[in-house]
Amino acid sequence: DTGVSQDPRHKITKRGQNVTFRCDPISEHNRLYWYRQTLGQGPEFLTYFQNEAQLEKSRLLSDRFSAERPKGSFSTLEIQRTEQGDSAMYLCASSEGLAGGLEQYFGPGTRLTVT
Amino acid sequence: DAKTTQPTSMDCAEGRAANLPCNHSTISGNEYVYWYRQIHSQGPQYIIHGLKNNETNEMASLIITEDRKSSTLILPHATLRDTAVYYCIVTYSGNTPLVFGKGTRLSVIA
Repeated sequence: DTGVSQDPRHKITKRGQNVTFRCDPISEHNRLYWYRQTLGQGPEFLTYFQNEAQLEKSRLLSDRFSAERPKGSFSTLEIQRTEQGDSAMYLCASSEGLAGGLEQYFGPGTRLTVT
Repeated sequence: DAKTTQPTSMDCAEGRAANLPCNHSTISGNEYVYWYRQIHSQGPQYIIHGLKNNETNEMASLIITEDRKSSTLILPHATLRDTAVYYCIVTYSGNTPLVFGKGTRLSVIA
């Protein structure tokens, strides 16, 4: 257990439905990252936050995806109008930021299956 | 960030040292070499990182060549629990988005 938690761990949804995932980082970490991982591939970066500010979004993050970190603590990732291609493991990670340690701590992931 | 090249898979006998190579020939002078691993159905786990000097911690050792174009992660006494995908990542900072390749699938065999 790294101290980063994600909820839910598994989600099955029908195409066209909206889904929301939550990530709770290690409490003193001010950077929070979202990655997506499909079968046989390494994780791919989606977006990341410094406190509540969203610093960067990958081109993978289409307009159906939105992420928030409203109080600089937990974060949510919402996917609207899900498609079968959205089926993947969604990973959250956190780190201390520039003034702290240089490693990211990953949560267990949320596995999304779109039917 | 520089690109890395790793073998697709490797086997190692339990109790023996596992040596995982990584090529990063286009690495810049101030880019770090990071290693993470991912055990099946878990999130990636940080192992070690280095800039120029060799590094050792409780999990592994990292050997970086003098020209910095390649490195080797060493697990000194591999156990079955070390079976995982190992990712070598080159980055200016570990606190920025990481670029993962496909990694090396290490199988530790009893």
